[in-house]
Amino acid sequence: EAAVTQSPRNKVTVTGGNVTLSCRQTNSHNYMYWYRQDTGHGLRLIHYSYGAGNLQIGDVPDGYKATRTTQEDFFLLLELASPSQTSLYFCASKQGRNYAEQFFGPGTRLTVL
Amino acid sequence: GEQVEQRPPHLSVREGDSAFIICTYTDSATAYFYWYKQEPGAGLQLLMSVFSNVDRKEEQGLTVLLNKKDKRLSLNLTAAHPGDSAVYFCAVAMATGGNNKLTFGQGTVLSVIP
Repeated sequence: EAAVTQSPRNKVTVTGGNVTLSCRQTNSHNYMYWYRQDTGHGLRLIHYSYGAGNLQIGDVPDGYKATRTTQEDFFLLLELASPSQTSLYFCASKQGRNYAEQFFGPGTRLTVL
Repeated sequence: GEQVEQRPPHLSVREGDSAFIICTYTDSATAYFYWYKQEPGAGLQLLMSVFSNVDRKEEQGLTVLLNKKDKRLSLNLTAAHPGDSAVYFCAVAMATGGNNKLTFGQGTVLSVIP
């Protein structure tokens, strides 16, 4: 089964702080995703990528940057964190073929004070 | 863009009863449909996937119905047990570009009372 890991699992920062969330997948999937999960909204797509060096804009990208450095690693960057970015963040990966499912990491809980 | 509405937001059933969750979507070009389960402190686990050529799918006490005319997707858990207590999400994707971009419902918190 696909393995997706995230670090850190929990992070507390202050308003204006600089945060990097990391995601690694070990199954050579083409696609990787960053979502945020908030009560009443489900999961919303922030950014995604279909390969190293590629970045696609998701549905809620404001205030976030992302970078896909290798096939395995996808990072989410918050350069000036705000309290509205307090959320549970999930990374996912997927093969590029149709019908393939997304595999999710365990999540990172970010609190911005 | 695609909009997905999921109901109810909270659902409480007794052990052995059925639990029914429904999602509606807006885009008729939607072709891929998923149900995920999220247990406390964990990521999402795929329960079942169906594609637009399927109206009904049953697996291990779960029944998924797809009504493309009404743009409605449902999940029925028959004979729920306490281990089914979790958050359930529907997710859909368009036919164009494959199923590479999912739109999720808001989630349903299911509590199964022993």
